[in-house]
Amino acid sequence: SQTIHQWPATLVQPVGSPLSLECTVEGTSNPNLYWYRQAAGRGLQLLFYSVGIGQISSEVPQNLSASRPQDRQFILSSKKLLLSDSGFYLCAWNTGGLYNEQFFGPGTRLTVL
Amino acid sequence: GNSVTQMEGPVTLSEEAFLTINCTYTATGYPSLFWYVQYPGEGLQLLLKATKADDKGSNKGFEATYRKETTSFHLEKGSVQVSDSAVYFCALSLNYGGSQGNLIFGKGTKLSVKP
Repeated sequence: SQTIHQWPATLVQPVGSPLSLECTVEGTSNPNLYWYRQAAGRGLQLLFYSVGIGQISSEVPQNLSASRPQDRQFILSSKKLLLSDSGFYLCAWNTGGLYNEQFFGPGTRLTVL
Repeated sequence: GNSVTQMEGPVTLSEEAFLTINCTYTATGYPSLFWYVQYPGEGLQLLLKATKADDKGSNKGFEATYRKETTSFHLEKGSVQVSDSAVYFCALSLNYGGSQGNLIFGKGTKLSVKP
């Protein structure tokens, strides 16, 4: 069966520091991968998606970036965090099949102070 | 454009009450529709789905019917439990290649069930 992992689970970082969040998927190959952010009391905002190694599409211009160095690994990064980057970051995957349901990881709670 | 609109929350119910969370959508083509549930501090879990008009998705006592004529996918449960307290998201997926499997989510509805 397929599983999706995210780490770390929680993170507290000062403003201006770098960020690296990792997401890995097991039990499938060539998945579509997604990064979402959920700010407090708000819905989900799609940040990036990837349909293959090295292929990244950005949905919202900001100080974050994403990379996909391996088929089942998706990394979210920042060189300098802002206060507004605080939130709950969710990674998701799907097979890109006909009905496109996505499966979500447990999330990373990021607090920027 | 394509969008999902959910009823504003929070919704507070007593245990064993009937639940309805409204969801309507705007989409070109023939989307698939989903309900996801998010328990406190966790990621989203797929609750149910429907892939064509008149399909009924069901799971854990929850149901939703894909109504093309009213562009709706309302979530219902006959008798809620305290353990159903969570945030519920309605979402759609456009079933053509250019969408790359992306989902469009509503803003979520927080449900609190009191004993």
